[in-house]
Amino acid sequence: GQQLNQSPQSMFIQEGEDVSMNCTSSSIFNTWLWYKQEPGEGPVLLIALYKAGELTSNGRLTAQFGITRKDSFLNISASIPSDVGIYFCAGRGSNSGYALNFGKGTSLLVTP
Amino acid sequence: SQTIHQWPATLVQPVGSPLSLECTVEGTSNPNLYWYRQAAGRGLQLLFYSVGIGQISSEVPQNLSASRPQDRQFILSSKKLLLSDSGFYLCAWSKGGGSYEQYFGPGTRLTVT
Repeated sequence: GQQLNQSPQSMFIQEGEDVSMNCTSSSIFNTWLWYKQEPGEGPVLLIALYKAGELTSNGRLTAQFGITRKDSFLNISASIPSDVGIYFCAGRGSNSGYALNFGKGTSLLVTP
Repeated sequence: SQTIHQWPATLVQPVGSPLSLECTVEGTSNPNLYWYRQAAGRGLQLLFYSVGIGQISSEVPQNLSASRPQDRQFILSSKKLLLSDSGFYLCAWSKGGGSYEQYFGPGTRLTVT
């Protein structure tokens, strides 16, 4: 499958700061998903997006489906130590069937 | 509510030995099922997916195979493990019929020695 470009690769921030990360693709996607993975565990689905321009929140997390359909963004407001983990974007194109393409993840570290 | 189980949680196997990892889903019927491998460095690689009993699609030719003997059971196997088979194996499910949200199990850490 196609590899997504996810950035930044890692972030080291202080508690209370806001976080932004993004994911880009060279082709159009119909679905964008954002996951969080903690060490030794499986990824947990945070937000699913299905329409271009869609903005969806889940608590302090907000994700957007880019207008071009080639990118997506995840923001975390007022970060806390339990936000630590690796955040993955995943996208699906119209010809992908059920397969998702995953980014390589953004590693987030939050200091108290 | 739906839950997904994987076992074993960890496994250490010698090169050349067989492998069988099991995944089961509860609380849903006719799910789509997926096997991923996550190597060090974090990327998730789709290995197999299944849309029904006995229906397996392979995404990457390799030393592994998958089977779905029952609606909510997905098995990953190998006849002879290679060192390169080490990694974190994740099973996931999604609702059938056009839902693309995948939900992951807790994973199996496999170390081939």
